[in-house]
This record gives sequence, C-alpha cells and structure tokens, in this order.
Amino acid sequence: TQLLEQSPQFLSIQEGENLTVYCNSSSVFSSLQWYRQEPGEGPVLLVTVVTGGEVKKLKRLTFQFGDARKDSSLHITAAQPGDTGLYLCAGEGRGSTLGRLYFGRGTQLTVWP
Amino acid sequence: NAGVTQTPKFQVLKTGQSMTLQCAQDMNHNSMYWYRQDPGMGLRLIYYSASEGTTDKGEVPNGYNVSRLNKREFSLRLESAAPSQTSVYFCASSDYSRALFYGYTFGSGTRLTVV
Repeated sequence: TQLLEQSPQFLSIQEGENLTVYCNSSSVFSSLQWYRQEPGEGPVLLVTVVTGGEVKKLKRLTFQFGDARKDSSLHITAAQPGDTGLYLCAGEGRGSTLGRLYFGRGTQLTVWP
Repeated sequence: NAGVTQTPKFQVLKTGQSMTLQCAQDMNHNSMYWYRQDPGMGLRLIYYSASEGTTDKGEVPNGYNVSRLNKREFSLRLESAAPSQTSVYFCASSDYSRALFYGYTFGSGTRLTVV
C-alpha cells in the first residue's frame, strides 16, 4: 500500500529555475521527513517537520507541512546542478507505528548547467 | 565514521543460490530495517527489527529471512535467489525510543543481480 504520493516523478530543469515537489496522503502522520539520495548512496535526511503548518528553510530549500499533517511540499529556489538527486518524502506513523516511516516513490530531479 | 555499514557492495548470484547480506550500525540504535529499491517503486520494506530479539515482516518479505544477531547487526538472507530479487538493498537504523524522532540512517546499499 502506497500511503504517500509524490509528484512529479521526474523533473528536469535549467540552473536558476525554481521548482516544487509535492507529497500527498490521505493519512495523518506524526511527522514528515524529506531525504535526498545521490547515485550509489543511501538516502540522507534533509529535514523533519512535525507541526501542522510548519515551514522550515534550509538555505535555498523550503519545506512545508500541511495544516492537517497529511501533505508536504519541498520548494527549491534558484536550483543548482548540485541539487540533482532523488528526493524522497517519508511520513512517520502514529500510535503503534510511531517511529516507522512510510516512503513515497521519490522525485528524480536533474538540474542542467 | 559512525553510521551503517553494509557488505558486500555488489553481488552477482545464479538463480537458486543463497547468500546473506550483512548490516552493522555503531550508533546504539534500537531499530533496524531492510529495504529494497527498484526503479519507479521507491523503497519497499522487507523486514524490520524494532529492538534486539524481535523481527517483523514488512511489505515484501517473501523469499527473505532475517536475523537480529545483536543490537548492532541485522542480516538479510536469500535462501534461493530468483531474478525478481535483482535490486538494490538498503539497511537502515533508527532510535524511536527517544522523545524526538531523528529519522533513519541508511547504509550505502548492496547492488544484487540474480541471473
């Protein structure tokens, strides 16, 4: 069962453009995490958002958690070739599944110089 | 460097052969996980171990077995490899017993090809 839907699946843009990646679900999560994965490596945690409506900024990356804690977005301003990679969102379960992550299928971002 | 170590990094098996993927973490985490990653399918959970001495099935456990050898080590075994098990396998660990959940730490993966 795919609890988290990510869109778009692929994104190919020029350096300097802005982009937004979406992560949607019908389930409520305890927290929402975003990971970035480079070729030949495992995913690496970028950020965790916990509170509905929370916005976190990491340099040119802005992460938002939906008010109902069911969805999230990642916005990149002035993308650079170094931003290229697979971006994964993951929702943390509640109750008996606290601490368990449910991953989206990922968005493959390519930024061309 | 602290983290999750997986061995081997690459492996080619013939159909029907068996092998064990090794994973060790040195962060004193309670929980460990095995995922497979296939193009377009994302990360799918095979098995997990919430704490030492316990293991549970994930989404795609068929054809696999696991052993939580101690708090540090969590191995994944393929008893009779099939071409459908060609994939990249990731081990991860976390510590969800803390008040604030810091997410998963992943190893760098094992790329397995079954011919």
